[in-house]
Amino acid sequence: AQSVTQLDSQVPVFEEAPVELRCNYSSSVSVYLFWYVQYPNQGLQLLLKYLSGSTLVKGINGFEAEFNKSQTSFHLRKPSVHISDTAEYFCAVSLINDYKLSFGAGTTVTVRA
Amino acid sequence: GAVVSQHPSWVICKSGTSVKIECRSLDFQATTMFWYRQFPKQSLMLMATSNEGSKATYEQGVEKDKFLINHASLTLSTLTVTSAHPEDSSFYICSARDRTATQGEWETQYFGPGTRLLVL
Repeated sequence: AQSVTQLDSQVPVFEEAPVELRCNYSSSVSVYLFWYVQYPNQGLQLLLKYLSGSTLVKGINGFEAEFNKSQTSFHLRKPSVHISDTAEYFCAVSLINDYKLSFGAGTTVTVRA
Repeated sequence: GAVVSQHPSWVICKSGTSVKIECRSLDFQATTMFWYRQFPKQSLMLMATSNEGSKATYEQGVEKDKFLINHASLTLSTLTVTSAHPEDSSFYICSARDRTATQGEWETQYFGPGTRLLVL
């Protein structure tokens, strides 16, 4: 079975500073990888996904992530954050053709002025 | 596009009563719908996978007689929490996959806004 580990439970960051959220996965077979964002009391919104091809994936709101197969990682980055980026971020993985998502524990990003 | 709604957005009920939560795909037909449960400050846990016209598949540890799932059409799935108790209080989120999605999109799940259930 696949699993996801988000290495940081909370990440405080100042506005306009860069941020990196770390995600590692475990699977014996190939997977799809996703990053979702959850704003308070809301559902999840897809930020970006890796299916195949280029290992650098660009998403919405200026976020990007890089798939590293040898390190089984899929870290999320943004070069300059805004107050509105304050939210919970979830890394998720699914087996190819399985479609069930396994989520990490989440990382709370708090952006301060 | 790809909007999923849930109703109600929040509900308070008495212990022992049943509560029905609706999940609708508004602008697409859903091949599969998923139901998740999220406790405060925690991640999402998949409860069950629902396919139109067939019985739902429940994850290990989820009581199927407690959490009844009906997927009557390609745009509607319902979760009924039967004989609710305070420990059932949680945030319930559904998601859906687009039936007509092409390669590169069919693995994407679109999430609803969630339903907060409080059982007194």
